[in-house]
Amino acid sequence: KAGVTQTPRYLIKTRGQQVTLSCSPISGHRSVSWYQQTPGQGLQFLFEYFSETQRNKGNFPGRFSGRQFSNSRSEMNVSTLELGDSALYLCASSSGRTQETQYFGPGTRLLVL
Amino acid sequence: GEDVEQSLFLSVREGDSSVINCTYTDSSSTYLYWYKQEPGAGLQLLTYIFSNMDMKQDQRLTVLLNKKDKHLSLRIADTQTGDSAIYFCAERLPTGTASKLTFGTGTRLQVTL
Repeated sequence: KAGVTQTPRYLIKTRGQQVTLSCSPISGHRSVSWYQQTPGQGLQFLFEYFSETQRNKGNFPGRFSGRQFSNSRSEMNVSTLELGDSALYLCASSSGRTQETQYFGPGTRLLVL
Repeated sequence: GEDVEQSLFLSVREGDSSVINCTYTDSSSTYLYWYKQEPGAGLQLLTYIFSNMDMKQDQRLTVLLNKKDKHLSLRIADTQTGDSAIYFCAERLPTGTASKLTFGTGTRLQVTL
C-alpha cells in the first residue's frame, strides 16, 4: 500500500498571499488530519476531516481552512499569510474508526517571506 | 488539561540502551504513541500502547506505562546510529475519533560511536 503523500514538498510565499496544500491518504483511509510543526510551538493539531466533513478543529484562526473530497484527498488553505505561518505542515491519515492509529506523510515545508 | 512533556536531549553510545521519558497530565488518555522524526521527514509511527496496559515490547522497543504517575517511557535496546532522530510521545483523548493527538515537545536522541 502506498503511504500518505503530500504536495508540494516545499513552498515559498510572501506575506499576504494564500497557499493551498494537498494530502492524499492511504488507500481506504477516510480520515485526514492536519498538523502544524514549528520550532517554537511544536506539533499542533489544525483539523480533521472524515467523509468530507470537518470532525475536529484545533485552536487556529479562520485563515486556516480545509476541505476533503469524495476520494478522501484533502486540501488545506491558508489565506493572508503571515511570517509566523512558516512551518512544516503534516498530514496524517487513518481509517477513522475509534481504535485506529494515524500515519503521517512527509510534510510540506512552507516558508513565508 | 492537555500537556505532554519530554526532556529535550539524550545522548547515548552505540550499543547501549536508550530510555526516553514522557509525562502527560490527562489521565483519561486512551492511547499513547511514540513517533520518530528524522531530519526533513514526517513522523514515523514506532509503537503505541493502550492505557490499560503496563508494558508492550516490539523487537528492540519496550514501552512502559505508569498510569498512576502519568509516565510513559520508550526503551531502545542496542541503540544504533540510525536511531538518531527526534522522538515524540503523543496522547489521544477519548473524543470518539482517532484524531487530535497531543504531542510532546520531542526528545532529540544522539547516538555516538
